[in-house]
Amino acid sequence: AQSVTQPDIHITVSEGASLELRCNYSYGATPYLFWYVQSPGQGLQLLLKYLSGDTLVQGIKGFEAEFKRSQSSFNLRKPSVHWSDAAEYFCAASGGYNKLIFGAGTRLAVHP
Amino acid sequence: DGGITQSPKYLFRKEGQNVTLSCEQNLNHDAMYWYRQDPGQGLRLIYYSQIVNDFQKGDIAEGYSVSREKKESFPLTVTSAQKNPTAFYLCASSSLREGLNSPLHFGNGTRLTVT
Repeated sequence: AQSVTQPDIHITVSEGASLELRCNYSYGATPYLFWYVQSPGQGLQLLLKYLSGDTLVQGIKGFEAEFKRSQSSFNLRKPSVHWSDAAEYFCAASGGYNKLIFGAGTRLAVHP
Repeated sequence: DGGITQSPKYLFRKEGQNVTLSCEQNLNHDAMYWYRQDPGQGLRLIYYSQIVNDFQKGDIAEGYSVSREKKESFPLTVTSAQKNPTAFYLCASSSLREGLNSPLHFGNGTRLTVT
């Protein structure tokens, strides 16, 4: 069955520290991959997406993600976290037709 | 500004009552979606529609119904048959003309509480 796994439910980092959020997928073929961010009580905002080509994808707010086919992973990174990055982050995958499968999310807390 | 409007933001209902959640978009998007979000479970697809007067069941359609009479509107009815209706409901849309995997644009959600 197709699935997206985010192994970390909660992550806490200090402001200014680097960040990596993990995402693994299980699909029959290489899916399209997305990272979304959600602030409390709000909808989701797209950070970045991987459709094909360059495996390192740049997104908004200084985020990037790297697609690694051999590891079935699409980890999200940011070199220096800001307090405003505290939110919930969702990895999602699609085999086509916009039917996204979401991971369970990783809640990020940022210490001052 | 274009966007997706979900109303109301909070909704309270008694068990056994049907309730309809509103979703309107002015992005001229073809496709619209309803997701349910529960803590620790991510988002699960309830229904989606790629064209007016047509819609398909998602992964958890039981106890829900939708209609798509206009391109801009995709209301979701939570029926009394839905066993655990209390949740955060998110509506989304996308433009199929941008390709089959154009990003989803989300509304700000409706939190439904059924007691």
